[in-house]
Amino acid sequence: GIQVEQSPPDLILQEGANSTLRCNFSDSVNNLQWFHQNPWGQLINLFYIPSGTKQNGRLSATTVATERYSLLYISSSQTTDSGVYFCAVEPWRDSNYQLIWGAGTKLIIKP
Amino acid sequence: DGGITQSPKYLFRKEGQNVTLSCEQNLNHDAMYWYRQDPGQGLRLIYYSQIVNDFQKGDIAEGYSVSREKKESFPLTVTSAQKNPTAFYLCAAAPGANYGYTFGSGTRLTVV
Repeated sequence: GIQVEQSPPDLILQEGANSTLRCNFSDSVNNLQWFHQNPWGQLINLFYIPSGTKQNGRLSATTVATERYSLLYISSSQTTDSGVYFCAVEPWRDSNYQLIWGAGTKLIIKP
Repeated sequence: DGGITQSPKYLFRKEGQNVTLSCEQNLNHDAMYWYRQDPGQGLRLIYYSQIVNDFQKGDIAEGYSVSREKKESFPLTVTSAQKNPTAFYLCAAAPGANYGYTFGSGTRLTVV
């Protein structure tokens, strides 16, 4: 089945820094989403982005479907950006509408 | 406000007991999902439902059961057959295939 790999696994930054999180996937996808899980466990959908580029405030994402990767950019990091960022994809074949999840990138923003 | 409500937030269960976790949505979404998350791990799919009165097993359905009698409700029962039920349980909903998911705030289940 499809493999989803996120990098880096851990990232520690000072407040105000910029960061780039990467998601590689091994096959074509219908659906790709980025999520943020805060320290209390709440999962927030950041982007639905199977292809192209989207921006929402300090966050933006780009998916290059032909090269099978997606990038999440966080600019001017704030302590509230801390948490785990997950990438999840739905393969275009044999998916049964299920998302396949990466292991996540744990981001810590220090004040 | 539209969203997903999971209850209770914390649940303690004695070994051998069945417990039911509630998931209610007012988003009018067709698809609903149950995930399990263990500490420091990613999400694993337990069950999902694309339409009322129909549901499918996910990767780790053994020891769990669900029902989908109403569009807005998708309760999960953790049975005594689930050998290691202590985990964080998350419910999600989506309008259908190829849409973003919305998650509830989760239920932390502990077996005592």
